[in-house]
Amino acid sequence: GQNIDQPTEMTATEGAIVQINCTYQTSGFNGLFWYQQHAGEAPTFLSYNVLDGLEEKGRFSSFLSRSKGYSYLLLKELQMKDSASYLCADDNAGNMLTFGGGTRLMVKP
Amino acid sequence: EAQVTQNPRYLITVTGKKLTVTCSQNMNHEYMSWYRQDPGLGLRQIYYSMNVEVTDKGDVPEGYKVSRKEKRNFPLILESPSPNQTSLYFCASRDDGTSTYNEQFFGPGTRLTVL
Repeated sequence: GQNIDQPTEMTATEGAIVQINCTYQTSGFNGLFWYQQHAGEAPTFLSYNVLDGLEEKGRFSSFLSRSKGYSYLLLKELQMKDSASYLCADDNAGNMLTFGGGTRLMVKP
Repeated sequence: EAQVTQNPRYLITVTGKKLTVTCSQNMNHEYMSWYRQDPGLGLRQIYYSMNVEVTDKGDVPEGYKVSRKEKRNFPLILESPSPNQTSLYFCASRDDGTSTYNEQFFGPGTRLTVL
């Protein structure tokens, strides 16, 4: 599979903003997904970027730079319930997704 | 309701006793896949299927089998389970890529323990 890198863990404070970065290999790239996963539960869809730029959806935004093989997920006004793992996934050649190892985000009061 | 279902949700078994984890989707999706998730290793693809009777190995296929006789079902078979197959398993399905984006839907997960 393709190499997808994201930080293992991050900590942030309730009400703050946090940015989770993801880098991927650009060959055969179609688009990039972000998923949220709470412990022991299935991943749930957050966003999908195909074109360069920022896409905003409520408190969550996702950015993509195709030329740099780089994406980030931006979470604003953090809430305790945002404590979860955030998975970056590469949509390559239209088949099933290849996932990074996930970033475990801990939101503290 | 559009969904992916897996059964069983929890299973404790012993080494060598054949087992099957079923997966079914009601969205008429072409693509289906199995992942396992282990601490520190993220989601790793075991097998995937692009359509009926078409299956391919993912990143960690050893010790697993799959079949795709019908579009909606994609069972995962462990012929002789071993303790290193203790993991959390997810089935997923996805459309064929003709939409603007094709979200991958996940089943609720099957937690397997092999003693």
